[in-house]
Amino acid sequence: QKEVEQDPGPLSVPEGAIVSLNCTYSNSAFQYFMWYRQYSRKGPELLMYTYSSGNKEDGRFTAQVDKSSKYISLFIRDSQPSDSATYLCAMSRSGGTASKLTFGTGTRLQVTL
Amino acid sequence: GAVVSQHPSRVICKSGTSVKIECRSLDFQATTMFWYRQFPKKSLMLMATSNEGSKATYEQGVEKDKFLINHASLTLSTLTVTSAHPEDSSFYICSASPYGGRGAEAFFGQGTRLTVV
Repeated sequence: QKEVEQDPGPLSVPEGAIVSLNCTYSNSAFQYFMWYRQYSRKGPELLMYTYSSGNKEDGRFTAQVDKSSKYISLFIRDSQPSDSATYLCAMSRSGGTASKLTFGTGTRLQVTL
Repeated sequence: GAVVSQHPSRVICKSGTSVKIECRSLDFQATTMFWYRQFPKKSLMLMATSNEGSKATYEQGVEKDKFLINHASLTLSTLTVTSAHPEDSSFYICSASPYGGRGAEAFFGQGTRLTVV
């Protein structure tokens, strides 16, 4: 069993839809959670960084962490064609700068006109 | 957010030659940088942890003599793919976390697409 599970998609939604992206994990030692967006042939771009359970909002993006269920989510409101990309969840056991990240496989999102 | 620059963005080399990829933190110092490899439509696979002033730490299965890492300063790490072969063709990405920042929050370079012919 992988430490981090993420549905690879592809997920196709119409413009303006609310998108829900999810990851589950098996190791309760993970304490820090991140979501990255990766466009084709580019490096990942950090979208959200969370530590505690609960919700964190930034513009159209909301990150949700449920440590008791080992489940994290990223919601995108009013999705735009420019949101079409692969979304990677990542998590870390510790918070130091030398902390290794464990990534999900990524979910490919396509927002259509 | 912090900026990590990677160079070159794309390189084609002949089989048997070596290729050097640079990763720079432009607006912060990084004692630790990470090197990843990514296959098409796959997630990032951590290759090694680059430590400033000391030897890199390689993940299991990664050949340290094949992938040489040098972290000579607090803003520069290099990955050299030695005696490259077609199976080394891949997308290589580096990351770093700003010291004094939010710890595990990592910023990535643009990536380097290596094609060995």
